Amino acid sequence: QVQLVQSGSELMKPGASVKVSCKTSGYTFTNYAMNWVRQAPGQGLEWMGWINTNTGNPTYAPGFTGRFVFSLDTSVSTAYLQISSLKAEDTAVYYCATSGYFDWFFKNWGQGTRVIASS
Amino acid sequence: DIQMTQSPSSLSASVGDRVAITCRASQSISSHLNWYQLKPGEAPKLLIYAASSLQSGVPSRFSGSGSGTDFTLTISSLQPEDFATYYCQQSHGTPFTFGQGTKLEIK
Repeated sequence: QVQLVQSGSELMKPGASVKVSCKTSGYTFTNYAMNWVRQAPGQGLEWMGWINTNTGNPTYAPGFTGRFVFSLDTSVSTAYLQISSLKAEDTAVYYCATSGYFDWFFKNWGQGTRVIASS
Repeated sequence: DIQMTQSPSSLSASVGDRVAITCRASQSISSHLNWYQLKPGEAPKLLIYAASSLQSGVPSRFSGSGSGTDFTLTISSLQPEDFATYYCQQSHGTPFTFGQGTKLEIK
């Protein structure tokens, strides 16, 4: 069955960088786009953007440019989200989620990674 | 950006009740509307895609309807495992946006 398993919770100091992983199994990695979704404490879901798993080309939603980087390691069917220069407002749960390249609903999700940016 | 407005933001109901959650888009999104269920500590779950298509494995008590700007998620007979938070999401245009969520609680 399809599985997306994310890395564990992170407690980081403001200004540091963090890299979240999303390891997939049970399907052909390059057949689906990988999206990232954020949920800040007490808030709703926010789409951060997606990465083309064939070309590695990322697309970032407004508000997620500059400090956010999506990347891949197709050899291990894994997607990554790196956040640099962490701010307190980056504290959130981050989810990876697959979608088609033409049907943009999020079919399979990771369990989420909690990132806390606090001194 | 397309704004998605869900109502109500919270809802108390009992096992066996029929409940409906609505989602309104700020512009027409055709049938590009999807529904998700979130439970604390679990991966979000796709329930309905393309406004009314039931995702494989999702119980038939869940149904979706609507097109254009107004959409509804209906749960025909609430089960204990249905108490969760529900989100709509438009996939008509980027950035893809979600409603603010509806928390369904046990009465």
